[in-house]
Amino acid sequence: DAMVIQNPRYQVTQFGKPVTLSCSQTLNHNVMYWYQQKSSQAPKLLFHYYDKDFNNEADTPDNFQSRRPNTSFCFLDIRSPGLGDAAMYLCATSRGWQANQPQHFGDGTRLSIL
Amino acid sequence: AQSVTQLGSHVSVSEGALVLLRCNYSSSVPPYLFWYVQYPNQGLQLLLKYTSAATLVKGINGFEAEFKKSETSFHLTKPSAHMSDAAEYFCAVSDRTGANSKLTFGKGITLSVRP
Repeated sequence: DAMVIQNPRYQVTQFGKPVTLSCSQTLNHNVMYWYQQKSSQAPKLLFHYYDKDFNNEADTPDNFQSRRPNTSFCFLDIRSPGLGDAAMYLCATSRGWQANQPQHFGDGTRLSIL
Repeated sequence: AQSVTQLGSHVSVSEGALVLLRCNYSSSVPPYLFWYVQYPNQGLQLLLKYTSAATLVKGINGFEAEFKKSETSFHLTKPSAHMSDAAEYFCAVSDRTGANSKLTFGKGITLSVRP
């Protein structure tokens, strides 16, 4: 089945130690998104790629970066994680950028900060 | 700007009872609306979407939703709840004024199903 795969499912890192989360997709979708979801809250969009074009949300901290080396893969880099960055990180894709395109989500990576 | 409101944070029903999860939207243009379900420690799964075709939309797992422009609502229903329906449900609207697929989510509703 075509899908969005996130690795690892659970990640533990130390305060201030860089961490990278990965996402891959077999849907061949043009758009990839990264969301942060804290407990009992709605997902919050951090940024998205349309093909190789990167789009940052205005309130995404500089501590968060992303890379998309090819259509299938996208990475979320947190340069210096703080305790407030502990959350579920969700990757999603959509076929196109049109408003009627649904997003398809991976199962997320739960990040813990020690 | 578009927005959705999901009143209440928690709904509890008995197994076999009707499920009704409410969602109201605010939009200056006809919206595209989505319902997603999130099971514990998983991502969001698309239940159904309204993209200006039929106003009654049928989704997966026996859920459906009806778009009512006069009431600015897109409530999610299921005739008979199953234990496996216990999850978090999010209503979302996409950015039709900006003509893009960015989603604005409601706060979510936790559905509990009692045996």
